[in-house]
Amino acid sequence: DGGITQSPKYLFRKEGQNVTLSCEQNLNHDAMYWYRQDPGQGLRLIYYSQIVNDFQKGDIAEGYSVSREKKESFPLTVTSAQKNPTAFYLCALGSGNNEQFFGPGTRLTVL
Amino acid sequence: GQSLEQPSEVTAVEGAIVQINCTYQTSGFYGLSWYQQHDGGAPTFLSYNALDGLEETGRFSSFLSRSDSYGYLLLQELQMKDSASYFCAVRDNTDKLIFGTGTRLQVFP
Repeated sequence: DGGITQSPKYLFRKEGQNVTLSCEQNLNHDAMYWYRQDPGQGLRLIYYSQIVNDFQKGDIAEGYSVSREKKESFPLTVTSAQKNPTAFYLCALGSGNNEQFFGPGTRLTVL
Repeated sequence: GQSLEQPSEVTAVEGAIVQINCTYQTSGFYGLSWYQQHDGGAPTFLSYNALDGLEETGRFSSFLSRSDSYGYLLLQELQMKDSASYFCAVRDNTDKLIFGTGTRLQVFP
């Protein structure tokens, strides 16, 4: 089954805890992106990676970290330094023509 | 700064035509695209315009005028399932997609 997967779908964490969101793909795309979406808002770029072992900060990288050790995987860690982490997190793959393919998303709630 | 402006909400009835406008101000321009997002779901790609003019894909069309930094998405023969949020997005000179804040479309019977 091909595509982009994110897990878990729903995630709850206590304040002060780090949590890692998974993003996996088997479509052989080089470019991968992490976005954050707040209710009624657009998508804001957290981090992106154009190639393995390289990634760049987006517009709201503070309090987040990523790694890109394999082409297929681009995990996002939400650290305790992120003051308002409750949001919908979307991972996407990039291709030509501005087309990005999004995963189903992870809804993170901080208790 | 970089910004994409869209109306926050649009309402229409089934069978009608609706136009969602997008004006942009970005560092570089490498095309305008549109995405649809249903409540609770992920955005899905609808269309892309790199050059001026109208692109048609079934009931949906997208228009671009680079001289006016303006584009729109046109939805015809509206159906209830078209109720969703619609986002315009521009690729800037750092190769990132900048998204608008989205337009919520409500289609009524």
